[in-house]
Amino acid sequence: AQKVTQAQTEISVVEKEDVTLDCVYETRDTTYYLFWYKQPPSGELVFLIRRNSFDEQNEISGRYSWNFQKSTSSFNFTITASQVVDSAVYFCALSEDPNFGNEKLTFGTGTRLTIIP
Amino acid sequence: EAQVTQNPRYLITVTGKKLTVTCSQNMNHEYMSWYRQDPGLGLRQIYYSMNVEVTDKGDVPEGYKVSRKEKRNFPLILESPSPNQTSLYFCASSLPGTGDTQYFGPGTRLTVL
Repeated sequence: AQKVTQAQTEISVVEKEDVTLDCVYETRDTTYYLFWYKQPPSGELVFLIRRNSFDEQNEISGRYSWNFQKSTSSFNFTITASQVVDSAVYFCALSEDPNFGNEKLTFGTGTRLTIIP
Repeated sequence: EAQVTQNPRYLITVTGKKLTVTCSQNMNHEYMSWYRQDPGLGLRQIYYSMNVEVTDKGDVPEGYKVSRKEKRNFPLILESPSPNQTSLYFCASSLPGTGDTQYFGPGTRLTVL
């Protein structure tokens, strides 16, 4: 069965500090997809990134970067020079081989990030 | 604008009073799904649909029904709501079979008294 663990329940950092959110996953499939979503205080879910299991290249998008390591089953998310607008709950999610039909996302329990001005 | 819409956004109701939460997408996606979000549990799938007239249970289907009569719409029905169904509900849609990104609606916050 698939599982996603976000061990950090809450993190607080001072503005402009870097912060890394951890995500560890479990799956028996060789083909799977990993996602990060942001949930700001307004409540909607904002898609941040999708990564398939065959692409271990790290990705950078502005102040955001993602480190995917299959050897440790981790997909960590780093925010550089954090800003108050980054305050949100962040979810990591896993989708197994979609050829089986259900494209279900298995979510972690989320990490609440608070940026202190 | 490509989007998933849900209505209502907020609802307070009483135990046993049937309600429907609507979900509609304008991206011509075959796959649609409902999730509920509860503190400390993340999001869990309730039901999903691969296409019109094709629906199946997710991880927490008890107390819910769905229908998919049109491609764009996927309503969630609570025939007899109970307080343990108080939650934040999200509808999502995507293209099937590709591990495609699922796009979520804005959420419906339901309180059952």
